[in-house]
Amino acid sequence: AQSVAQPEDQVNVAEGNPLTVKCTYSVSGNPYLFWYVQYPNRGLQFLLKYITGDNLVKGSYGFEAEFNKSQTSFHLKKPSALVSDSALYFCAVRDRGSTLGRLYFGRGTQLTVWP
Amino acid sequence: EAQVTQNPRYLITVTGKKLTVTCSQNMNHEYMSWYRQDPGLGLRQIYYSMNVEVTDKGDVPEGYKVSRKEKRNFPLILESPSPNQTSLYFCASSPGQTQETQYFGPGTRLLVL
Repeated sequence: AQSVAQPEDQVNVAEGNPLTVKCTYSVSGNPYLFWYVQYPNRGLQFLLKYITGDNLVKGSYGFEAEFNKSQTSFHLKKPSALVSDSALYFCAVRDRGSTLGRLYFGRGTQLTVWP
Repeated sequence: EAQVTQNPRYLITVTGKKLTVTCSQNMNHEYMSWYRQDPGLGLRQIYYSMNVEVTDKGDVPEGYKVSRKEKRNFPLILESPSPNQTSLYFCASSPGQTQETQYFGPGTRLLVL
């Protein structure tokens, strides 16, 4: 069964410090992995995705994520957090071997960056 | 402007009164999907459609219906809403291949009394 785990409901960091939002996944085959961000009262916006190739993926707003196949993880990172990064972050996974259109989301991690 | 639109954005209704939430995309996407978002549960897929007249159940399809008669539209139908369907609903679309990014609508907040 496919699933995504975001082990932290909340992450709090000071502005200027590095941030990490964790994600682990379980799929029967090889994954496509995504990160989305949701600002208050808004829909989800795409941040980045891993399809193939380089395990370090760079995305929007200075975010990056590292695909680690052995640890089945896809943690989201940013070297220097901004207050404006405060939002709800979702990790999602699809099984690339599946012809079905199912996309599985984690429960979300609320990131708060304080000044 | 490329976008996914949903209507209405906010809806208050009563138990048992049929309602439809519309979703439309102008990007000629093959794939469309509905999700509900609940606190602590993240996003859960209700139904999805790989193309016109092709739909399938997601994780939580009970109490919902969908149809895909046109490529651009994917309405979500609640035949007899119940209070446990109070939620925030999102429609999304993508070009169709499984590696493609999904584009989300702004959401519909539904309250069933």
